[in-house]
Amino acid sequence: GQSLEQPSEVTAVEGAIVQINCTYQTSGFYGLSWYQQHDGGAPTFLSYNALDGLEETGRFSSFLSRSDSYGYLLLQELQMKDSASYFCAAPIYNQGGKLIFGQGTELSVKP
Amino acid sequence: SAVISQKPSRDICQRGTSLTIQCQVDSQVTMMFWYRQQPGQSLTLIATANQGSEATYESGFVIDKFPISRPNLTFSTLTVSNMSPEDSSIYLCSVSPPGQSTGELFFGEGSRLTVL
Repeated sequence: GQSLEQPSEVTAVEGAIVQINCTYQTSGFYGLSWYQQHDGGAPTFLSYNALDGLEETGRFSSFLSRSDSYGYLLLQELQMKDSASYFCAAPIYNQGGKLIFGQGTELSVKP
Repeated sequence: SAVISQKPSRDICQRGTSLTIQCQVDSQVTMMFWYRQQPGQSLTLIATANQGSEATYESGFVIDKFPISRPNLTFSTLTVSNMSPEDSSIYLCSVSPPGQSTGELFFGEGSRLTVL
């Protein structure tokens, strides 16, 4: 089976740094993606890690450790607009880009 | 990138009826997927819509309940048949960009169905 585990919710204050963790158990694993979804909106792609290490994109960074079956999304300089649900997801090997999603982490940013 | 349009954006349906959701992409894509997102939940893959052949369904989803059409490389439909309140969800169409997998899918805005 394939599963990705994330915390259900995280709360942080504006300007802070928050880390959302994701542990996975998948067969044929070959990368970890992160998506953001605002309430009522479409999921939007944030990042993809195919290799171990840190990928930085502006205020957002994503990390992968294959040996630990673990990754995280790091959000810096939090803004109110970052309040959303964040999903980790893993492509299924040789399935044309099909993704399996974690349960999602609801991030609440407080003033 | 790809721009995906879904119709309807939302609907209220009566138990026992069926509704067809349309997904139109602004470019030709090989891989097109249908996901369901129940209230407060994650995205669950229903099926892969294959052009020119029958859709490939995930465990727990069957063609009689969720028939899918894919007449060409830019369009697909998902029908939710014989609806019950448990089918109240957001249904999302998504496509994979061509080429090597980058873990990225483009999503439509979703079709929010409420079944009474």
